[in-house]
Amino acid sequence: DTGVSQDPRHKITKRGQNVTFRCDPISEHNRLYWYRQTLGQGPEFLTYFQNEAQLEKSRLLSDRFSAERPKGSFSTLEIQRTEQGDSAMYLCASSTHLVGSSYNSPLHFGNGTRLTVT
Amino acid sequence: TQLLEQSPQFLSIQEGENLTVYCNSSSVFSSLQWYRQEPGEGPVLLVTVVTGGEVKKLKRLTFQFGDARKDSSLHITAAQPGDTGLYLCAGPKNSGGSNYKLTFGKGTLLTVNP
Repeated sequence: DTGVSQDPRHKITKRGQNVTFRCDPISEHNRLYWYRQTLGQGPEFLTYFQNEAQLEKSRLLSDRFSAERPKGSFSTLEIQRTEQGDSAMYLCASSTHLVGSSYNSPLHFGNGTRLTVT
Repeated sequence: TQLLEQSPQFLSIQEGENLTVYCNSSSVFSSLQWYRQEPGEGPVLLVTVVTGGEVKKLKRLTFQFGDARKDSSLHITAAQPGDTGLYLCAGPKNSGGSNYKLTFGKGTLLTVNP
């Protein structure tokens, strides 16, 4: 179990640029989540995948945000035309969901990508 | 809106002291989770409480879920510098009780001074 891996750990970009983050979940986990955490706040849910299907998106996820999980393994989160308000820690988590049941194992979080938009 | 309010927001104590932090809501939660987050890292799950009135112990940490499942507390006995971190509570948000979509409190930032 190598844990959830996120890359890069830090990203500084200028307003208006596009950025892409990657998340590698725990290999046997079929669910993958993206959360955002700003200073002084707890994480906020953005979206989640079951295998390659994106099942839910938060209203926090504007049209400038897109997430993919093309092969049901790693995921990318892209932010287009970044704004200063996008500055935050972007956390990825994964878990196992037993299909056909309501059981979802605890979430394992990665160490996040800290985005700074200047 | 299911909000979780945590108190105190900041807590600084000396090594060896005891402390309690709180997580309160006006909503009923099917379960609550406690996480600890260290600077520059992601949250790490400490415990999940499910039954009203439940008490769980993890070494020097004692977690309690309120009888009405609207609140929870975390008590640390004889705090150590290694306990320093942001303590977050979280519960399922409009997800039928499943924990896939969590709402988090703002956390209690604990500093234990040697």
